[in-house]
Amino acid sequence: DGGITQSPKYLFRKEGQNVTLSCEQNLNHDAMYWYRQDPGQGLRLIYYSQIVNDFQKGDIAEGYSVSREKKESFPLTVTSAQKNPTAFYLCASSIGVAAYNEQFFGPGTRLTVL
Amino acid sequence: EDQVTQSPEALRLQEGESSSLNCSYTVSGLRGLFWYRQDPGKGPEFLFTLYSAGEEKEKERLKATLTKKESFLHITAPKPEDSATYLCAVPSILTGGGNKLTFGTGTQLKVEL
Repeated sequence: DGGITQSPKYLFRKEGQNVTLSCEQNLNHDAMYWYRQDPGQGLRLIYYSQIVNDFQKGDIAEGYSVSREKKESFPLTVTSAQKNPTAFYLCASSIGVAAYNEQFFGPGTRLTVL
Repeated sequence: EDQVTQSPEALRLQEGESSSLNCSYTVSGLRGLFWYRQDPGKGPEFLFTLYSAGEEKEKERLKATLTKKESFLHITAPKPEDSATYLCAVPSILTGGGNKLTFGTGTQLKVEL
């Protein structure tokens, strides 16, 4: 089955810790994205990658970092510089970056700061 | 900046009671519109892409339509399993190239027996 997997499903972070969220896809998609979802707000773009070894900041990149060393993998690190990291994090991928390319989402990771 | 507004925020229907969800948008140039379904604690599930004004798409009890200013998701004779949050989104150009999705905040639908 082709799809997007995210792990872990739940993640707890202590103050001052960096944590890494995993995202893997086997759809052979070139583009991958990280969005953040907060109650009462639309999804917001954190980072995106159009191709391996390239990535760009989205609307709310401060306090986050990413890498894209393999086509199928796009991990997100939430650093201690992110002041309000508690949220639902969603990874997505699309075959390309054209406007009409549908983005498909993973199941999400819920991050909670203790 | 592109904007998407969905209404109502929440909708409660009886099983079999048809209704419509609204998605209005402000974009610099319409380049399509997407509908997703999201169940609690899960990622959005893709439903439809509408490419241009006047287009319609159907899937089971759902029908999506698009005009130059808004889109509707019509739900005919809904069942309890249609209960979910429905999200609409438009593609927005990124300065670094490519597109992101600009989402509305969703309509939370509950269908009761």
